[in-house]
Amino acid sequence: GDSVTQMEGPVTLSEEAFLTINCTYTATGYPSLFWYVQYPGEGLQLLLKATKADDKGSNKGFEATYRKETTSFHLEKGSVQVSDSAVYFCALSDRGSNYKLTFGKGTLLTVNP
Amino acid sequence: EAEVAQSPRYKITEKSQAVAFWCDPISGHATLYWYRQILGQGPELLVQFQDESVVDDSQLPKDRFSAERLKGVDSTLKIQPAELGDSAMYLCASSAGVNTEAFFGQGTRLTVV
Repeated sequence: GDSVTQMEGPVTLSEEAFLTINCTYTATGYPSLFWYVQYPGEGLQLLLKATKADDKGSNKGFEATYRKETTSFHLEKGSVQVSDSAVYFCALSDRGSNYKLTFGKGTLLTVNP
Repeated sequence: EAEVAQSPRYKITEKSQAVAFWCDPISGHATLYWYRQILGQGPELLVQFQDESVVDDSQLPKDRFSAERLKGVDSTLKIQPAELGDSAMYLCASSAGVNTEAFFGQGTRLTVV
């Protein structure tokens, strides 16, 4: 079945530091890949997505590239801000699972001023 | 801006009692999902509807959980009887169709005491 493994947290960074959160996946088909963000007390918001190999999703300074050869979709940001503090979830969906979202366990990011 | 509405935001119930959650998806969205998010984990799908039909309920504990979407619009998730292990965030999401972006509500935080 489908699964997502992401870097365990928590991750604590200083403002303007570089961020990487690793994500790898296992899927029976050819999945679409997503990063969702969850701010305290809120639901999930789509941060970015990629639907085919070598696609780069980007939003709000965050980027992730769909790497089929390494089954990875690592999240990066060049300079984090305090407002980026949240839980980040890597997820996939594919046709074989009726396009339901399969999530990783989440990574808590705390950015200190 | 259209959003997925959920109520209540918070619910405390005693074990063995019945509890129900309500979700109103974005207007026109045919696909509706209920996810359960245990603290520190990623969301896991409980049930997926396409219009009023269940597409996937393989992870729904059917001895105590039920879900319905009678007119293919809003949906209710019920637990009877509630158990201590049901304490979690229950998230509703909707999408225009399969393989399109899913939008999440703010969730219902359930505490069973």
